[in-house]
Amino acid sequence: AQKVTQAQTEISVVEKEDVTLDCVYETRDTTYYLFWYKQPPSGELVFLIRRNSFDEQNEISGRYSWNFQKSTSSFNFTITASQVVDSAVYFCALSEAYMNNDMRFGAGTRLTVKP
Amino acid sequence: DTAVSQTPKYLVTQMGNDKSIKCEQNLGHDTMYWYKQDSKKFLKIMFSYNNKELIINETVPNRFSPKSPDKAHLNLHINSLELGDSAVYFCASSQPSPGQGWEQFFGPGTRLTVL
Repeated sequence: AQKVTQAQTEISVVEKEDVTLDCVYETRDTTYYLFWYKQPPSGELVFLIRRNSFDEQNEISGRYSWNFQKSTSSFNFTITASQVVDSAVYFCALSEAYMNNDMRFGAGTRLTVKP
Repeated sequence: DTAVSQTPKYLVTQMGNDKSIKCEQNLGHDTMYWYKQDSKKFLKIMFSYNNKELIINETVPNRFSPKSPDKAHLNLHINSLELGDSAVYFCASSQPSPGQGWEQFFGPGTRLTVL
């Protein structure tokens, strides 16, 4: 069965620090998809990125970057020069191709960025 | 234009009552979901419908019944509400994107409080 582990329950940093959120996954499938979502204090779930298992290329989007490593089954998320507005709960999620619509979320990491 | 909408945003009710939460998506997606987010922020899938057909039915009490009148709507009806049903309920929708997996778009959530 698929499983997503976000071992960091809470992280607190000071503004402008870099921070990495860890995500480790388990799957038996060779085709799968990984996602990150952000849930700010207002409560909505905001999609950040999607990665398929055949594409290990790292991605950078502004201050956000993602490091996908199949060898360690990890899909980590780094925020560079963090800002107070980055404060949120961040979820990593996994879906397996053969399971059609089944997306499983990790427990989330609450990031607090202090001014 | 709102992609995935839910009503109501807040729902406060007494134990034992029956209530419904409505969800509509205007993205033309084939698949819709209901998730429950508990007080610890854990997100768990409850149901998934694809083209009005139930695909996933996780272990939820049969007091919860999803109803999909058409592809754009997935409502959640809850009978005999219990204290433990208090949570935020999210509706989501997705459409398979070739080679990209099933990114899900979430509604704003409905905060249910059972007194």
